[in-house]
Amino acid sequence: GQNIDQPTEMTATEGAIVQINCTYQTSGFNGLFWYQQHAGEAPTFLSYNVLDGLEEKGRFSSFLSRSKGYSYLLLKELQMKDSASYLCAVRDSNYQLIWGAGTKLIIKP
Amino acid sequence: IAGITQAPTSQILAAGRRMTLRCTQDMRHNAMYWYRQDLGLGLRLIHYSNTAGTTGKGEVPDGYSVSRANTDDFPLTLASAVPSQTSVYFCASSDGATTGELFFGEGSRLTVL
Repeated sequence: GQNIDQPTEMTATEGAIVQINCTYQTSGFNGLFWYQQHAGEAPTFLSYNVLDGLEEKGRFSSFLSRSKGYSYLLLKELQMKDSASYLCAVRDSNYQLIWGAGTKLIIKP
Repeated sequence: IAGITQAPTSQILAAGRRMTLRCTQDMRHNAMYWYRQDLGLGLRLIHYSNTAGTTGKGEVPDGYSVSRANTDDFPLTLASAVPSQTSVYFCASSDGATTGELFFGEGSRLTVL
């Protein structure tokens, strides 16, 4: 079956750096997405990786290794507003999105 | 403001009742989706539509139906609600560009008693 694994919860300190990992096993691969979801709100798009390597966008970066079925989202200079759930999703060979359960990130002062 | 509008935002419903969740987008996106989100689980696709006039079944379609009469509207109907359909429902759309980024509505929280 298809599976996306990511940690359930992580805690980090304001101003620090945190890395949220995502491993996947899917039928084919056509891109990996990261979304941010604040409590009680809709998910919003953060990043998209389809080739191996690092994509940087401001304080957020996303890395992909297709051979390892692995991605991470790196958040730098953490701010309290970064407290949210981070969802990893993979688009499979049928162009359907398979979603992880999300990682709840708690930022402490 | 362009985007996706869902209604209602919240609803409590008696089991066995019929319910339609409304979804309207003004971005002229071809593809639209309905997901449910439950605690501890990833978003699960209920139904989707790649273009007006066509629909398809997702991962968890049983008990739900959709229609896509035009580009903008994509309602989700629960013909006879059951407690296991208690969830948060998200409508989303995509413009079909290379990334296929999804744009989500604010969600509809449905409780079936």
